[in-house]
Amino acid sequence: SYVLSQPPSVSVAPGKTARITCGGNNIGSKNVQWYQQKPGQAPILVIYYDADRPSGIPERFSGSNSGNTATLTISRVEAGDEADYYCQVWDSTSDHQVFGGGTKLTVL
Amino acid sequence: EVQLVESGGGLLQPGGSLRLSCVGSGFTFSRYSINWVRQAPGKGLEWVSYISSSGSVVYYADSVKGRFTISRDNTENSVYLQVNSLRADDTAVYFCATSDGASGEIDKWGQGTLVTVAS
Repeated sequence: SYVLSQPPSVSVAPGKTARITCGGNNIGSKNVQWYQQKPGQAPILVIYYDADRPSGIPERFSGSNSGNTATLTISRVEAGDEADYYCQVWDSTSDHQVFGGGTKLTVL
Repeated sequence: EVQLVESGGGLLQPGGSLRLSCVGSGFTFSRYSINWVRQAPGKGLEWVSYISSSGSVVYYADSVKGRFTISRDNTENSVYLQVNSLRADDTAVYFCATSDGASGEIDKWGQGTLVTVAS
């Protein structure tokens, strides 16, 4: 089955740029989604199709995907961005949605 | 306003069964695929199952295949997840969420219902 790997944690100072990676075999050939989840809340879609933002998501959130790594970039990080972030792809081989293990973003 | 509301969770013994429900409102429910995604306490997201807008296509995670059954009733704006032969590792919050087909992004989520399996 397809596996997505994320770092367990990323820390960043307010105003700086956070980059959260998602590794997978030839992930560049897949569409990657990113979700933000705050404690006690349901996930929210922040990036879809590698780099598109749903309405209401700030431009500070961006995504890229190439080779074996997809990246979620959060510019000018704010305290309110502190959350868990999950990447996700569709694995057509197994007809399964697949989530990464999640990355806890800490704003210092 | 698009809304998904899950219900049916509770405390069950190992081997037990229950049916989770997901009711949608604020959108044309019959046009949307629905997924169930679960999250064990303190753990990450795990996709569980998918049903197409018509109900003709369903998929299951390997961990639940043969024990869980997804279905829908578009006249009731509802999707159901019948869960049987429950195990301790099925303990989780179960979210329902819409998606654009099986491979599309999972874009609207409910708040979840907690299933606890313990003796």
